[in-house]
Amino acid sequence: DAKTTQPTSMDCAEGRAANLPCNHSTISGNEYVYWYRQIHSQGPQYIIHGLKNNETNEMASLIITEDRKSSTLILPHATLRDTAVYYCIVRVDSDYKLSFGAGTTVTVRA
Amino acid sequence: NAGVTQTPKFRVLKTGQSMTLLCAQDMNHEYMYWYRQDPGMGLRLIHYSVGEGTTAKGEVPDGYNVSRLKKQNFLLGLESAAPSQTSVYFCASRTGGWYQETQYFGPGTRLLVL
Repeated sequence: DAKTTQPTSMDCAEGRAANLPCNHSTISGNEYVYWYRQIHSQGPQYIIHGLKNNETNEMASLIITEDRKSSTLILPHATLRDTAVYYCIVRVDSDYKLSFGAGTTVTVRA
Repeated sequence: NAGVTQTPKFRVLKTGQSMTLLCAQDMNHEYMYWYRQDPGMGLRLIHYSVGEGTTAKGEVPDGYNVSRLKKQNFLLGLESAAPSQTSVYFCASRTGGWYQETQYFGPGTRLLVL
């Protein structure tokens, strides 16, 4: 699987959009981009995934660049409950497993 | 639905003792996974199962064994616990099919090996 690079940490103001970058420059054509988050001491939670088109659901939006070498997770209106570690993962569509890196620690401040 | 549950929530072991962690899911999922998470680090896959009666090794399988005798249960065993196995253990499950990778995680089991 392709490796991902994320910033170690970032802060965001409550009510503002949080934009979380992820680099995956070695991604190949059949690898999907997944985002999970882990709120303190809890199990990770699925957020969103995509292949090459932008995706949106009730939690977030995923913007993937045209060359697919990077992506951005957007939390449109961050709340204090969005404070968590966010993991960007790439995975081959036929693979059974995810590989979690260190992720980005996002702190939403009032 | 309870989703994914893990038993126990917390355990203290002495070096050399054995124990079994139980993961149960009520979503009729085919795939189940065991991860460990050390402080400040991401999750690492220990073992996984793609169906009842099947298991496979993940990234860090040494010192652990698993069994999937029933579809809804995935057991993780430590035969002889070591301090290096102090960690938080998470179980996860998902439906089958290559296109579906939404894993549902349990609340975790915190294990301390003295």
